[in-house]
Amino acid sequence: QQQVKQSPQSLIVQKGGISIINCAYENTAFDYFPWYQQFPGKGPALLIAIRPDVSEKKEGRFTISFNKSAKQFSLHIMDSQPGDSATYFCAASQGYSTLTFGKGTMLLVSP
Amino acid sequence: GAVVSQHPSWVICKSGTSVKIECRSLDFQATTMFWYRQFPKQSLMLMATSNEGSKATYEQGVEKDKFLINHASLTLSTLTVTSAHPEDSSFYICSARGAGVKPQHFGDGTRLSIL
Repeated sequence: QQQVKQSPQSLIVQKGGISIINCAYENTAFDYFPWYQQFPGKGPALLIAIRPDVSEKKEGRFTISFNKSAKQFSLHIMDSQPGDSATYFCAASQGYSTLTFGKGTMLLVSP
Repeated sequence: GAVVSQHPSWVICKSGTSVKIECRSLDFQATTMFWYRQFPKQSLMLMATSNEGSKATYEQGVEKDKFLINHASLTLSTLTVTSAHPEDSSFYICSARGAGVKPQHFGDGTRLSIL
């Protein structure tokens, strides 16, 4: 019940395209859904997060879509750039407590 | 704001030695700190959670006598890997959360290599 399933495992997108990463959760007590971006040799950096009271949140080129009934949320990166190439992790928690992470998605944006 | 500093960033040492990793919150008081371990191309695995002034809570399967965690102040937590062996080689990452800084903010990790 604590799992967060993330897909795809890896993704190649052309520059300017849209990158889409999906996550699904099981625990209905989760109410905080952040996305983290991690570059090689670095720690994860908080990218964007959403609460279940809204269905979408946008910050610049990054958008989270949230479907409470389906227990799914996704990250959309518009106009993807080579500098976006990184590993992305979705996560979920109850409040701001212990995070449950997805397995990660390696994104490569080709020039 | 919300900067977490981790030191050292990379350490290589001989098998059998103990290694201490520091995690500092630079601009906020971290009431809770978390320690994670990450293997190559894998997700983060929570090792333990520590609240300032209290003993750490370890996740199942994590040896508390091997991975000593101290959170003696609101800005500093340390992870000591005792009698390290090659299988302890990994990327160790800390994160911190404060009363006024609620999402976890992560340090840049420590690459530990045991020869």
